[in-house]
Amino acid sequence: RKEVEQDPGPFNVPEGATVAFNCTYSNSASQSFFWYRQDCRKEPKLLMSVYSSGNEDGRFTAQLNRASQYISLLIRDSKLSDSATYLCVVNMKRPGNQFYFGTGTSLTVIP
Amino acid sequence: ETGVTQTPRHLVMGMTNKKSLKCEQHLGHNAMYWYKQSAKKPLELMFVYSLEERVENNSVPSRFSPECPNSSHLFLHLHTLQPEDSALYLCASSQDTGLEQYFGPGTRLTVT
Repeated sequence: RKEVEQDPGPFNVPEGATVAFNCTYSNSASQSFFWYRQDCRKEPKLLMSVYSSGNEDGRFTAQLNRASQYISLLIRDSKLSDSATYLCVVNMKRPGNQFYFGTGTSLTVIP
Repeated sequence: ETGVTQTPRHLVMGMTNKKSLKCEQHLGHNAMYWYKQSAKKPLELMFVYSLEERVENNSVPSRFSPECPNSSHLFLHLHTLQPEDSALYLCASSQDTGLEQYFGPGTRLTVT
């Protein structure tokens, strides 16, 4: 089983739509969680960390469900500039200090 | 953005060559990382350094040799690579291990 699993998509949504991505992780000892976005042929850029209480940054809301071992990302009022691949990242400190990346979910926002 | 820089941005090398990738971070971070990103695969963590000490080595072949002379610089020395090593090599840094990472633009490596 993969450490982190994401639906690869693609998700094609119209401008202004709300879209949600889920990501599941296999190890209950996971401690830190993040969402990154990666544009084509560019490096990943941090979108937001995911906290136990959930957190919001403008149009983006991230939630963590430890009991079910998944994290989610909600994007409201989608913009053309939101088109990218969204990567789910999980950090475990035992054993070792490991970061596991999902394969990413592709989003295209259509005019 | 120039928080994390990498050179070269593109590299083509033969299987018998020796080359080095360089990463520099200007963020005052204590941890630095090397990742490999191949097409259609998730990022693979290769090495982790914290305060210039290597803390993780994820069973990476010995033809990849990291070096961290100080907390701002990280190198990846390459020798006798294979064509399957062709990928995007990304460097990242974070304030401490386990915290948010910031990536450099990557070096796109082609092994011929």
